[in-house]
Amino acid sequence: GAGVSQSPSNKVTEKGKDVELRCDPISGHTALYWYRQSLGQGLEFLIYFQGNSAPDKSGLPSDRFSAERTGGSVSTLTIQRTQQEDSAVYLCASSFASGRTPDTQYFGPGTRLTVL
Amino acid sequence: AQTVTQSQPEMSVQEAETVTLSCTYDTSENNYYLFWYKQPPSRQMILVIRQEAYKQQNATENRFSVNFQKAAKSFSLKISDSQLGDTAMYFCAFMRAQKLVFGQGTRLTINP
Repeated sequence: GAGVSQSPSNKVTEKGKDVELRCDPISGHTALYWYRQSLGQGLEFLIYFQGNSAPDKSGLPSDRFSAERTGGSVSTLTIQRTQQEDSAVYLCASSFASGRTPDTQYFGPGTRLTVL
Repeated sequence: AQTVTQSQPEMSVQEAETVTLSCTYDTSENNYYLFWYKQPPSRQMILVIRQEAYKQQNATENRFSVNFQKAAKSFSLKISDSQLGDTAMYFCAFMRAQKLVFGQGTRLTINP
């Protein structure tokens, strides 16, 4: 079946602009995750959605970052007033997490964000 | 807090050789999950192998196997009969509360 998809593949923006990154999880997966991969910080957890529960936002680096998941499927990560340090690859993953037993996370191809 | 350390930034071996990638982690928990992911130049993170800490038997997946030493908090990945397609970044990861904590990665190059 189809894997996790993300769009756009690449995004170049100017400092101060807002950007939206999209993630389509694997059909039937109840959990969705966003991670950021940057040269200086490596791979970092950003936010986690599980079913209808309140998201775990503990990894968001600032209040310029937000995410939502509509209808328990597609997710959008929004970065407001982008800064050059936001330049990174943003990875989305999904899993069929039961909440009791951790399940394997399957990743999308990522969105490379470049802030000029 | 959990930390994951990969002490080998880069490794290079010849095709068909066996290579071992190191990973150590720090946790006070007893039950947890460990993963190795591969990231080729295409950027897609691909699961290589997974280990549950409560299982004493080391996980294997075809040419990939792990040496899990719980007391030493070590989780190394062995790739046998390495192939050109194994060239990639390899990340060790610890899972807690459904979130993955990654090491810094090892860049593995398989030479023809």
